[in-house]
Amino acid sequence: EPEVTQTPSHQVTQMGQEVILRCVPISNHLYFYWYRQILGQKVEFLVSFYNNEISEKSEIFDDQFSVERPDGSNFTLKIRSTKLEDSAMYFCASSSSGSPAGEQYFGPGTRLTVT
Amino acid sequence: AQSVTQLDSQVPVFEEAPVELRCNYSSSVSVYLFWYVQYPNQGLQLLLKYLSGSTLVKGINGFEAEFNKSQTSFHLRKPSVHISDTAEYFCASRILTGGGNKLTFGTGTQLKVEL
Repeated sequence: EPEVTQTPSHQVTQMGQEVILRCVPISNHLYFYWYRQILGQKVEFLVSFYNNEISEKSEIFDDQFSVERPDGSNFTLKIRSTKLEDSAMYFCASSSSGSPAGEQYFGPGTRLTVT
Repeated sequence: AQSVTQLDSQVPVFEEAPVELRCNYSSSVSVYLFWYVQYPNQGLQLLLKYLSGSTLVKGINGFEAEFNKSQTSFHLRKPSVHISDTAEYFCASRILTGGGNKLTFGTGTQLKVEL
């Protein structure tokens, strides 16, 4: 069964450093998402991406964040200068449908620890 | 704005006992409702969803949920749990129209099934 994969599973970085979190969505999916969950808090939407552009983003997704689909298979989330409060589990998701009823398939997450 | 509340952060239950995980939603517009499950070191997996029609929705692994508009609830139930049901369960909502495709999650409920 096809699945969304994410690498690395755990990333430790120092404050101020750039990190890139990688995701490989399901191959025929066209809609991509990033969510994050700070420990003990809700899973929060960050950004959605379709047709090589951002279709929606939350207030969390500021200028420090960017997304890219560099090669037609990977979908990346970059944080330019990490802060302590960026420590969280980051989930990638993909969907074949742009309908609100369509299922989003999630990866296992990348745990980002900023020290 | 929409929000999802899961009042129980942890629910311990003995094997073969019934369980109910509570979810309440708040939205000024109509929403779709979802339950996701996350097993250790895995991504979020869709258990079931309510889009329209019958208020009792059946999902995978013997779970079901009932949509109650007057109480703005979407509680998840299973009549007899198994050790393998130990996982984190997330309730989520999505606006039908005009809200993009982002999911709004609750904080999650850790279900721990004991022998």
